[in-house]
Amino acid sequence: ETGVTQTPRHLVMGMTNKKSLKCEQHLGHNAMYWYKQSAKKPLELMFVYSLEERVENNSVPSRFSPECPNSSHLFLHLHTLQPEDSALYLCASSQEFWTGFGAEAFFGQGTRLTVV
Amino acid sequence: EDQVTQSPEALRLQEGESSSLNCSYTVSGLRGLFWYRQDPGKGPEFLFTLYSAGEEKEKERLKATLTKKESFLHITAPKPEDSATYLCAVTKAAGNKLTFGGGTRVLVKP
Repeated sequence: ETGVTQTPRHLVMGMTNKKSLKCEQHLGHNAMYWYKQSAKKPLELMFVYSLEERVENNSVPSRFSPECPNSSHLFLHLHTLQPEDSALYLCASSQEFWTGFGAEAFFGQGTRLTVV
Repeated sequence: EDQVTQSPEALRLQEGESSSLNCSYTVSGLRGLFWYRQDPGKGPEFLFTLYSAGEEKEKERLKATLTKKESFLHITAPKPEDSATYLCAVTKAAGNKLTFGGGTRVLVKP
């Protein structure tokens, strides 16, 4: 148990569906992240939140919409996805974002998303 | 452009056969280099952070070292439970976002 919990673990959705991924961290961290892991590609950073404010958006299509209501919770809202969006979506948290130190990120188990 | 390259892509070892994984980086203003272990279907598990050239960290059969251009993860006398994908990542001076390499898949056979 890493202290970062993601639900659901698996999700199959049609291209016209709307769904949300949830992440919760119990580590008292101030920064939270969404990463995408596709087959044969390195982990890609999608979004960063520091103290509930979005500080990074790595050119992610608008069909992915993050939400951070408080420092413990992070959501990724999905709508009108494409089959190529199928991947493992990982949430992570770290103590701080801006200091440059204490950057060790702790990851959840991920949500395996399949778009059909 | 910042790049993190890991080699080899895959490594098959016999139990007890020591080896090294390489992570080379071209990053301006490196702040830290991180090693993670990832088991199939799971999220990456943090192993080490290295901040400066010459630094070394150890954990059980794993030892990580850092130079100005690359990092090595040495696996000494590996066991089958060391089988996993090992990921290298870096952060730069501004902000703690991780840039990952492609990983090395390690399989240790008994």
